[in-house]
Amino acid sequence: EAQVTQNPRYLITVTGKKLTVTCSQNMNHEYMSWYRQDPGLGLRQIYYSMNVEVTDKGDVPEGYKVSRKEKRNFPLILESPSPNQTSLYFCASTPSGTLRSGANVLTFGAGSRLTVL
Amino acid sequence: GNSVTQMEGPVTLSEEAFLTINCTYTATGYPSLFWYVQYPGEGLQLLLKATKADDKGSNKGFEATYRKETTSFHLEKGSVQVSDSAVYFCALSDRRTGANNLFFGTGTRLTVIP
Repeated sequence: EAQVTQNPRYLITVTGKKLTVTCSQNMNHEYMSWYRQDPGLGLRQIYYSMNVEVTDKGDVPEGYKVSRKEKRNFPLILESPSPNQTSLYFCASTPSGTLRSGANVLTFGAGSRLTVL
Repeated sequence: GNSVTQMEGPVTLSEEAFLTINCTYTATGYPSLFWYVQYPGEGLQLLLKATKADDKGSNKGFEATYRKETTSFHLEKGSVQVSDSAVYFCALSDRRTGANNLFFGTGTRLTVIP
């Protein structure tokens, strides 16, 4: 089944304890992206990647890191989490060709709910 | 710049009622427009899309028409069901800017009661 898989789905952690949220897609998509969803703010892009070894900042990159060493994986790293990073995180992917056409339909993971105490 | 403004929620309707969720947009180029739906505990999934002016997207009884003159893409359904309870997001992508990103509205939560 074509899908985007995120782990963990739920995590409670403490301020300053490094964590990684993994994202993997099995559709051979070039483009991958991380979003955070907060009440009243919709989805905001954190980082995106156009292909392997190509990453760039989105709208709210502060406090996050990413890497894209393989096409299928795009982990989100919180080096020193803080309470304002408590949020629902989504990973998404799409073929790069759809970006150029404007018909870029993203496939989303099920989400990772992170709480930082 | 690019932005999407959608109707504040939450919206509560009785089963078989008519649904409208308003969405207006601002874009610097030639956007494609989307409605995504998020069912409880799940990620977003595409509901429908329209890539140029006057296009109508439709799926599962939902419809939205791309209106360039009013910069709108309102979501409608003639008769909602309990299973339509979800959060609905309007979004746009702008091909002229390379469209690396979708610009999302804040989401509208719909609850349909029997």
